[in-house]
Formats: sequence, structure tokens, C-alpha cells
Amino acid sequence: ETGVTQSPTHLIKTRGQQVTLRCSSQSGHNTVSWYQQALGQGPQFIFQYYREEENGRGNFPPRFSGLQFPNYSSELNVNALELDDSALYLCASSSTTLDRDTQYFGPGTRLTVL
Amino acid sequence: DAKTTQPNSMESNEEEPVHLPCNHSTISGTDYIHWYRQLPSQGPEYVIHGLTSNVNNRMASLAIAEDRKSSTLILHRATLRDAAVYYCIPMYSGGGADGLTFGKGTHLIIQP
Repeated sequence: ETGVTQSPTHLIKTRGQQVTLRCSSQSGHNTVSWYQQALGQGPQFIFQYYREEENGRGNFPPRFSGLQFPNYSSELNVNALELDDSALYLCASSSTTLDRDTQYFGPGTRLTVL
Repeated sequence: DAKTTQPNSMESNEEEPVHLPCNHSTISGTDYIHWYRQLPSQGPEYVIHGLTSNVNNRMASLAIAEDRKSSTLILHRATLRDAAVYYCIPMYSGGGADGLTFGKGTHLIIQP
């Protein structure tokens, strides 16, 4: 059973640029959630995707957007990067059928905005 | 969302039991209590969850107060690998679309 994987591991961008982060969900999972974790803080929920549509959203502006693909993998896109977007971005997958409340996290992508 | 209160940090010795407390006095009657932990440089990891009864699994035990306003995660025999930040998260069943609400958690330090 393959766990949740994310790419890239690290990324450095400049303020104003756009970034795309990728996530492959765990085998058998159909739902993907994205979280932002600033240094020293707990993760904050960005949004969740199910059936290729946004299923729920936290308190993040529209420049944070996402996609889910038919194979359940997902992308997080952030436009017009700001310095405060520097954080660890975590992807978590879950299943709506088996053990639906448990989320399985990937190792994260560390984004630095200069 | 129910508010949670956890100690900022706790310290324990290797091979001793650890009791990690969490207060969630505003918890709804339908909220499960989930615990996740985050090891250094890793994503969070599910530990255990329960509703009313005490729960056990291979990682830990969860003791839930009768009034459900508090719970305690119990690591029966801590190892160095258990050093992590532990998060207590109330969530209603099927509430995943609202995301997990992480607080600051408890930083558990294990001394050899």
C-alpha cells in the first residue's frame, strides 16, 4: 500500500509568482485535503476535494485554488505569492467509505517566498 | 468548532507511561475526539479517536471523561520515537469536509 506522496519537497519562489504543488493520495482514497502550516503553528485547513470538486474550504483567499484528477491525485495552486505564504503545505487523503474520518498525511512541501 | 486546551509542552522519561491531557469543554454531543501527532519534519499522523467509551489501539489508549469535557491520551511505554507534537481535535462524524482544526498541540519531550 503506497502512502500519500507530495512533490516537490522544497520550493523557492519570488513574491508575485505562481506555484503548483502536487499530491498523490493513498491507494483506495478518494478525497484529498490541503493544509498550510506556518513555522511553530498547527496546520490550517485550506480546502478539500472530492469527486473532482471543492467540497469544503477554510479561511483562505481565492488565489488559493486546487484541482483533483480522476485518479484522485490533486494540485494546489497559489497565485500572486506573498511573503506570508512561506510555509509547509500538507496534503492528506481519506476515504468516504472506509474509516472516513481518518486523514493520512504526506510529508509536505516546504515553500519559501522571497 | 469546539475549543481545545492542551499544555504547551510535557516531558517524560523513556519506557515510562505518558498521560497527555486535553480540555474540550464546548464539545458537541456528536463530536468524536481525534488525536494526531506530528513527528519532527513529518506530516501529522493519526493516533486514535473515540466518542464516549475509552478506546485502545496498538499505538495508544484514549480515556474520555464521563461528561466528555476532557480526554487523556495515554502512551503506555514511551520511546524516543514518541517525541512529537500531539494534537487533540474534536470533529463530528463525516465532518472531514470542514477540515481538521489543529491547535498548537502539546510538544512531548522524551528523555533517554
